[in-house]
Amino acid sequence: GEDVEQSLFLSVREGDSSVINCTYTDSSSTYLYWYKQEPGAGLQLLTYIFSNMDMKQDQRLTVLLNKKDKHLSLRIADTQTGDSAIYFCAETVPGGYQKVTFGIGTKLQVIP
Amino acid sequence: DTEVTQTPKHLVMGMTNKKSLKCEQHMGHRAMYWYKQKAKKPPELMFVYSYEKLSINESVPSRFSPECPNSSLLNLHLHALQPEDSALYLCASSRPQGSGETQYFGPGTRLLVL
Repeated sequence: GEDVEQSLFLSVREGDSSVINCTYTDSSSTYLYWYKQEPGAGLQLLTYIFSNMDMKQDQRLTVLLNKKDKHLSLRIADTQTGDSAIYFCAETVPGGYQKVTFGIGTKLQVIP
Repeated sequence: DTEVTQTPKHLVMGMTNKKSLKCEQHMGHRAMYWYKQKAKKPPELMFVYSYEKLSINESVPSRFSPECPNSSLLNLHLHALQPEDSALYLCASSRPQGSGETQYFGPGTRLLVL
């Protein structure tokens, strides 16, 4: 079945790197996503990775995928106060329709 | 343009009211979605439209009635809601080319049912 797990909370100092972790259970996952949600707002797609990739970098964001352990991480370099938000890991699996399974979300708090 | 717009931003309604939420996108996406998100929870899928036809209904109560009048618009008609239906309602869209197409979300409508 589909299950995506994340830790609930992460606190970092401004300027440090943040690493948000996620594990998923379905080995047939095709796409894995990171979404950001600021208070009272919708979900902003940050980045995504195909399941046949190991790493993807986009400016301050680095996504690492370990397929063997079914582990996905999001590293934010030089974390800023504007990065404070909830970060959702999500996956899709083949199934003939577009169902996205979200993790519970990790709240990132950036301390000035 | 990767924007999905939703109106209204906020809505307060009584349990006997009828209201509608609206969603619009002009990215040429032919799959559109409604999600419900409670506080401190991830979004939960409600409905999926693919090429303006309802393809998924995740056992949503009939007091929620979706409508897709054309490829750019998605509505959610609300009637006789309960206080527990208070939540953030998110619309999303994607290209419906099999599973895994990236979904782009709107800012949501925050609904309060009194």
